[in-house]
Amino acid sequence: EDQVTQSPEALRLQEGESSSLNCSYTVSGLRGLFWYRQDPGKGPEFLFTLYSAGEEKEKERLKATLTKKESFLHITAPKPEDSATYLCAVQAGYGQNFVFGPGTRLSVLP
Amino acid sequence: DTEVTQTPKHLVMGMTNKKSLKCEQHMGHRAMYWYKQKAKKPPELMFVYSYEKLSINESVPSRFSPECPNSSLLNLHLHALQPEDSALYLCASSQDGGGREQFFGPGTRLTVL
Repeated sequence: EDQVTQSPEALRLQEGESSSLNCSYTVSGLRGLFWYRQDPGKGPEFLFTLYSAGEEKEKERLKATLTKKESFLHITAPKPEDSATYLCAVQAGYGQNFVFGPGTRLSVLP
Repeated sequence: DTEVTQTPKHLVMGMTNKKSLKCEQHMGHRAMYWYKQKAKKPPELMFVYSYEKLSINESVPSRFSPECPNSSLLNLHLHALQPEDSALYLCASSQDGGGREQFFGPGTRLTVL
């Protein structure tokens, strides 16, 4: 069975304090790993797609990396507006469905 | 443009009501999805339409009835819901179903009294 876990469950950072979020997955035949940001009461906002081990994507203060078993979302010098829940999801095999991890709630304090 | 729109934003309904949620995208995507999300939980897949045909139904109760009138529209018809069905209902679309990112709408906050 495909499984996705994320750690930590919650993370509090001071503004400017860089850190990483982890997404570990166990799937058969990874087709894609996806990172989303979700603000309370809103739909997830797409951030990155990663397809193969060694791949990296960057956007502003965020950088996503992928290995054969996990993905990291690095946040460099975060700002309070980066506070949100960060979700990762995988798509595997011939299925169309995403399997979401439980998310990491990030709070960045000014 | 990567916009998926959903209406209404909020919906309050009684257990005997019939209502519908609507979703629209104009990105030419051929796969559309309904998700249910409870507070502090990740989205849970309900239905997938691929090329306007229902391809996945994740054992959703029959009080939820999806419909895909055309490639841009997706409806979710609601009837005889239970209070535990109260949640954020999210629509998403992707270019196709194969390893492509999904773009989500803002959601409909549903409260069942």
